[in-house]
Amino acid sequence: DAKTTQPTSMDCAEGRAANLPCNHSTISGNEYVYWYRQIHSQGPQYIIHGLKNNETNEMASLIITEDRKSSTLILPHATLRDTAVYYCIVRVVGNAGNMLTFGGGTRLMVKP
Amino acid sequence: DAGVTQSPTHLIKTRGQQVTLRCSPKSGHDTVSWYQQALGQGPQFIFQYYEEEERQRGNFPDRFSGHQFPNYSSELNVNALLLGDSALYLCASSLVVTGELFFGEGSRLTVL
Repeated sequence: DAKTTQPTSMDCAEGRAANLPCNHSTISGNEYVYWYRQIHSQGPQYIIHGLKNNETNEMASLIITEDRKSSTLILPHATLRDTAVYYCIVRVVGNAGNMLTFGGGTRLMVKP
Repeated sequence: DAGVTQSPTHLIKTRGQQVTLRCSPKSGHDTVSWYQQALGQGPQFIFQYYEEEERQRGNFPDRFSGHQFPNYSSELNVNALLLGDSALYLCASSLVVTGELFFGEGSRLTVL
């Protein structure tokens, strides 16, 4: 699986949009971009994933650049409960299995 | 609908001892994966079980072994514990080996 690069930490004001960047310049054509988050003392939680089109669900939006070398996770109205470590992961979906390779992630602090 | 459940939530062992951690997958899931998360780091894949067999394995020594039962629940065994085995052990379940992962809250192991 391709490596990803994320900022170590970010702050965001409550109620504002949180934009979390991720670089994956060596991504292959069959690799998806996944985002998970881990709230303190809990297991990782799936947020969203995409291949090349932008995706949106009830939790967040995922914007993938046209060359697929980077992406941004957007939490449109961050709340204090969104304070967590956010992991950007790229992996092949299919017969290769569903093993996830986590990096260090971005520690997002939402402040009142 | 119960999610992934793990037991025990916390435990303390001494060097050289053996430990067994248990995981019940989310209802309807048949595949269980185990991850180790050291303090301040992202989770690292240990192995995956499907149809009562180990299907994939990460870079962990043979001291780490597992088992999956006919009801899809799983155990992680670690022998000859080292101080460096202190970590949060996460269980994740999925529907088949390629499905999306759902994580439990983890078992925190402290080795003294």
